Formats: sequence, structure tokens, C-alpha cells
Amino acid sequence: AQRVTQPEKLLSVFKGAPVELKCNYSYSGSPELFWYVQYSRQRLQLLLRHISRESIKGFTADLNKGETSFHLKKPFAQEEDSAMYYCALIGNQGGKLIFGQGTELSVKP
Amino acid sequence: DAMVIQNPRYQVTQFGKPVTLSCSQTLNHNVMYWYQQKSSQAPKLLFHYYDKDFNNEADTPDNFQSRRPNTSFCFLDIRSPGLGDAAMYLCATSRKQGAGGYTFGSGTRLTVV
Repeated sequence: AQRVTQPEKLLSVFKGAPVELKCNYSYSGSPELFWYVQYSRQRLQLLLRHISRESIKGFTADLNKGETSFHLKKPFAQEEDSAMYYCALIGNQGGKLIFGQGTELSVKP
Repeated sequence: DAMVIQNPRYQVTQFGKPVTLSCSQTLNHNVMYWYQQKSSQAPKLLFHYYDKDFNNEADTPDNFQSRRPNTSFCFLDIRSPGLGDAAMYLCATSRKQGAGGYTFGSGTRLTVV
């Protein structure tokens, strides 16, 4: 079965500290992985996708097929990074985006 | 700005009284999705339209229906809302099936009283 697991419901760090939001997935084929972000009172929006290998707002994520992980990292957290972060996947059979339960990131001054 | 618009932002309905949530898009995307998100849970796909083709998830209750009269609009109908249907309902679009870069609306928060 396709599944996305985000083990931490809440992650609290201080400004300037490194942050890593964990995401593990189960899928038998080759999925495409994403991170979505939802800032307070805003809509859910795409942050980055693994195939792009990009850095957005200082965040990066590397797909580790051996560990079936797609952790989101940022070396120096900012207060404006406080938001809800969702890891998601689409399987190679196409169609639906499957979400993890989300991790709330709180960056304190 | 091209976007996905959901109306209303908040909807209160009575137990058992039919309710319709609406979604419109100016992106001209082929695929439109409806997700249900309950408190502290992951968004859960209810169904999606690929153009005019309707695709229902196996575990979506019969109480939930959808209509897509044209490319721009998609509606979620709840025939007889129960207390357990209170949730945030998210509409999303994508240019094609299997493309994961969805564009989401702001959601409609449904309260059932």
C-alpha cells in the first residue's frame, strides 16, 4: 500500500538552528515525492519536488530510495518558516497525491 | 492571478440538509480534485475529474457526489451531512493526471450542526 509517514507532529526550533522534517514512504515502484507547505491562514502550496533537485527558501530535500525517505532540511531556520509541512507522493501508476499527516514547524526567536 | 477559488470559505449546515461546495479555476487545468481534511489528519482524496471523466475513491461514502459542468467549475455535493462530515474541504487542480504540482484553493470549512 502507498503510505507517507511524518513521525513528528510538532517540531520546535530556535531561529538560526538547523531543521530537519522527516518523511518516510512506502511504495513498491518509483514514486515522485513532494513537500507542500501551509502558512497560517494561507492555502496549501507546493514547496519543492524531488525531481527538480532545487532549493526553495533555503530548503532542500533528497530522495533516499534505500531508506525510503525524503527528509526536508534547512541549515538555518527563520521565524517566517513557521508553518505546517506536508510530505506527499504520487506513484508511477499516476493519479492521486497521497499526503502524510503533516509536521508543524515552530521557529522561535 | 490565475488561481483556484473556493466558495464559501466557511459553511454551516444542518444535520441531514444537503449542501454544495464550489470550486472554480482560471488555470485551464484538466484535472480537478476534492480532498477532505479533518483536524490533525492528512488531506484525504475523495474523487477527481480528469476532464469530464469522474474517478471516485473506493472508500468515499455514497453521501458525497461531485459535478463538473465545465472546465472551470467543480462542485462537491453532500446529500445528507452528518456530524462526522465536518471538515475542511480542499479543491485542487493539476495540468494533467500524474502531475504532482497541484494548485490548491483556500478550502471551505464545513460545520454541521
